[in-house]
Amino acid sequence: KAGVTQTPRYLIKTRGQQVTLSCSPISGHRSVSWYQQTPGQGLQFLFEYFSETQRNKGNFPGRFSGRQFSNSRSEMNVSTLELGDSALYLCASSLSLANTGELFFGEGSRLTVL
Amino acid sequence: AQSVTQLGSHVSVSEGALVLLRCNYSSSVPPYLFWYVQYPNQGLQLLLKYTSAATLVKGINGFEAEFKKSETSFHLTKPSAHMSDAAEYFCAVKRRDDKIIFGKGTRLHILP
Repeated sequence: KAGVTQTPRYLIKTRGQQVTLSCSPISGHRSVSWYQQTPGQGLQFLFEYFSETQRNKGNFPGRFSGRQFSNSRSEMNVSTLELGDSALYLCASSLSLANTGELFFGEGSRLTVL
Repeated sequence: AQSVTQLGSHVSVSEGALVLLRCNYSSSVPPYLFWYVQYPNQGLQLLLKYTSAATLVKGINGFEAEFKKSETSFHLTKPSAHMSDAAEYFCAVKRRDDKIIFGKGTRLHILP
């Protein structure tokens, strides 16, 4: 069974640009969550999608957005990039967070903003 | 709001010694609690989870954790550390709104 796949793994952008990250969940998983990981803040919850609907949202500015497609694949977008957006962005899938909430993580997309 | 606090951002133990990583939670009801491990350049992997079925939870790689309601703690232990245990460990709680919130992590160093 294939795991959670995130693309791209590494990318470099400059301030003001935008970026789109992709996440393919484990087959059969309908929930996709996104986290931002930085050395100082640890893992910060961005948002969670279930069946194409955003169910939960963290405390991030509107520059951070996401969506989920009918096949459960998800994308997140960050517009007008700032230096502080440099981080590892982790995607995690689960059957449904309404149960025990076990998350399966991808290896992440490491974004560097110059 | 429910949250977790991990005591110690870095912990060093000798190979073969006891591993103890501390996590305290804030919750007015028995929560769902988790420990995850992150190896370098990888995502997080579930070590174990508490879902109120048993207070002592056994996980993978010889790790276990005990839920202590009186102390609001869910500390992670392993009797004998191995070099391969060097990684970052995260405690997490699932809130009533189904958000899963992580602690800031504890980096475990194994000394030869």
